[in-house]
Amino acid sequence: QKEVEQNSGPLSVPEGAIASLNCTYSDRGSQSFFWYRQYSGKSPELIMFIYSNGDKEDGRFTAQLNKASQYVSLLIRDSQPSDSATYLCAVKPGGYQKVTFGIGTKLQVIP
Amino acid sequence: DTGVSQDPRHKITKRGQNVTFRCDPISEHNRLYWYRQTLGQGPEFLTYFQNEAQLEKSRLLSDRFSAERPKGSFSTLEIQRTEQGDSAMYLCASSSSGLAAGELFFGEGSRLTVL
Repeated sequence: QKEVEQNSGPLSVPEGAIASLNCTYSDRGSQSFFWYRQYSGKSPELIMFIYSNGDKEDGRFTAQLNKASQYVSLLIRDSQPSDSATYLCAVKPGGYQKVTFGIGTKLQVIP
Repeated sequence: DTGVSQDPRHKITKRGQNVTFRCDPISEHNRLYWYRQTLGQGPEFLTYFQNEAQLEKSRLLSDRFSAERPKGSFSTLEIQRTEQGDSAMYLCASSSSGLAAGELFFGEGSRLTVL
């Protein structure tokens, strides 16, 4: 079982729609959860992190965490073509400083 | 603040040669990470330094890989006797104890091609 699992996509949504990206993780002791965005040919950049169960909103982005289900999601409202990128879910397992990344979900926002 | 700097950006080498990559983190960051990324995959953790101490190392990292951070500032990653399977983007990231754990700032990466 992979430590962090994501569907590689691509996920295609029309401009203005809500994009929903999902991730599951295997280590129940994980305490910190992150979403990074990676444009083609570029390095990952952090867009959100969440520690507690529930929702965390930042502008058009909402991160959701359910520790009981070991599930993390990212919602992007009013999707724009500039949101087209690969979204990497990342988890910091308990007791470690390393951050483990999933394979990433490629999002395509169609104008 | 010039961000995380990596050098060289591209390296082409023949199988069996040794290569070394350098990473200069953001100056006030005490944590430094090396990752490897291949096409279509997420970054794969290689190793982690806090100041000059190498505190975590992936079990997947063979003995041909070694990393140092001698003065707690820049870091080097050396790959000995390169193999074609080592071809990848090598990413360096830095962070600070004062930031959210896992908030990593990545450099542009060093792309390795082994012929």
